[in-house]
Amino acid sequence: KAGVTQTPRYLIKTRGQQVTLSCSPISGHRSVSWYQQTPGQGLQFLFEYFSETQRNKGNFPGRFSGRQFSNSRSEMNVSTLELGDSALYLCASRSGLDTGELFFGEGSRLTVL
Amino acid sequence: QKEVEQNSGPLSVPEGAIASLNCTYSDRGSQSFFWYRQYSGKSPELIMSIYSNGDKEDGRFTAQLNKASQYVSLLIRDSQPSDSATYLCAVTSGWDSNYQLIWGAGTKLIIKP
Repeated sequence: KAGVTQTPRYLIKTRGQQVTLSCSPISGHRSVSWYQQTPGQGLQFLFEYFSETQRNKGNFPGRFSGRQFSNSRSEMNVSTLELGDSALYLCASRSGLDTGELFFGEGSRLTVL
Repeated sequence: QKEVEQNSGPLSVPEGAIASLNCTYSDRGSQSFFWYRQYSGKSPELIMSIYSNGDKEDGRFTAQLNKASQYVSLLIRDSQPSDSATYLCAVTSGWDSNYQLIWGAGTKLIIKP
């Protein structure tokens, strides 16, 4: 059974640009969550999608957005990149909203110059 | 605000000893509790889950839950250098149809040979 797949794994952008990250969950999982992780900051929850609907949202500015497609694949977008957006972006899937067992992808490491 | 607190460490333990990691949470309604392990540069992976008061053992790992005192702990027996990682405590909050995970900042564990 394939795990959670994130693309791209690494990317470098400059301030003001935008970026789109992609996540394919484990087959059968309908929930996809996105997290930002920076050194010393732990996991910061961005948002969660379930059946194409955003169900939960963290405290991030509107520059951070996401969506989920009918096949459960998800994308997140960050517009007008800032230096502070440099981080590891992790996607995680779970089988449903009634479980706390998350399965993480390997992450997309974004560097903003 | 619902919180999960962990000592950030680093916690240094000699090889072969017992490593004890602790976590406290603020939401009395939390029902599910998880320990994730994150190696440096990698994504978190679920290693233990516990849902009722008491101990749950899995190999060298034992999770302990005390809902009255609102703490959960992870014991690692016969610690190995490969156990060196950051351990994240996560607690569910919400209701049956929409559990959200509240994360601690993680405890960095170092096992010294």
